Amino acid sequence: QQPVQSPQAVILREGEDAVINCSSSKALYSVHWYRQKHGEAPVFLMILLKGGEQKGHEKISASFNEKKQQSSLYLTASQLSYSGTYFCGTPSYNTDKLIFGTGTRLQVFP
Amino acid sequence: NAGVTQTPKFRILKIGQSMTLQCTQDMNHNYMYWYRQDPGMGLKLIYYSVGAGITDKGEVPNGYNVSRSTTEDFPLRLELAAPSQTSVYFCASRQGASYEQYFGPGTRLTVT
Repeated sequence: QQPVQSPQAVILREGEDAVINCSSSKALYSVHWYRQKHGEAPVFLMILLKGGEQKGHEKISASFNEKKQQSSLYLTASQLSYSGTYFCGTPSYNTDKLIFGTGTRLQVFP
Repeated sequence: NAGVTQTPKFRILKIGQSMTLQCTQDMNHNYMYWYRQDPGMGLKLIYYSVGAGITDKGEVPNGYNVSRSTTEDFPLRLELAAPSQTSVYFCASRQGASYEQYFGPGTRLTVT
C-alpha cells in the first residue's frame, strides 16, 4: 500500500517554513525521506526508526509517530536549494522492498 | 568511486523491440533495486536483489526480467517493449547494514 503524502505541492518564499506529511494505512516500522531535484536522481535525506525520534539534515528535521502511522518533514527557513520533490518511503513488512509515497513538490522562490 | 552508473542515458525503442538497461555499482553493496518513474509520478519498484544470484519481484515486475550474476551488476531486460514502458528507470544500491539507497542518474526510455 503506497503511503500518501500531503500536500501535493507547496510554494514558498525564501525563509518561510513548510511541513510535509506522510501517512500509511499499515503499521510503520521506519520512514525514509528522499529529495529529488528536477531532472536528477533521488537523494537520501534521513531515516526515522520506531521510537518517535527526530532526525535532522541541514535545517530539515522530521518526526515519526508510529501510533498514528505517519511522519512529518519540517523545512525551516527554506532556501532556494530546498526546491524539489520530496518522497517518503516505507518498508514493506518483512521484506527489503521500499514503497515510496506519492511525492510533494516544493518550490522556493527568492 | 563512480557510485552507481547506468547506461544508456537515453533510448528510443519501437513497439515490440527488446533491450537491456545496464546498472553497475562499485561500492560492494549487496542490495540493488530497479525503479521506474513515470512523468510527474513517484517511484515504483520493479525488481530487487539482496545479493548475487538472488532476485525478487517488486510492485510492477510485468514485462521485465533481471539477473544478478555478480555483486556489481544488475541488468534489467525489457522484452517486447510497449508504450506503457515509457518512463525513467533508476537503479539503486545500498549496503546491508545501512538503509540509505544510492541512486544512479537514470535511463530515459521512450517506446513508440
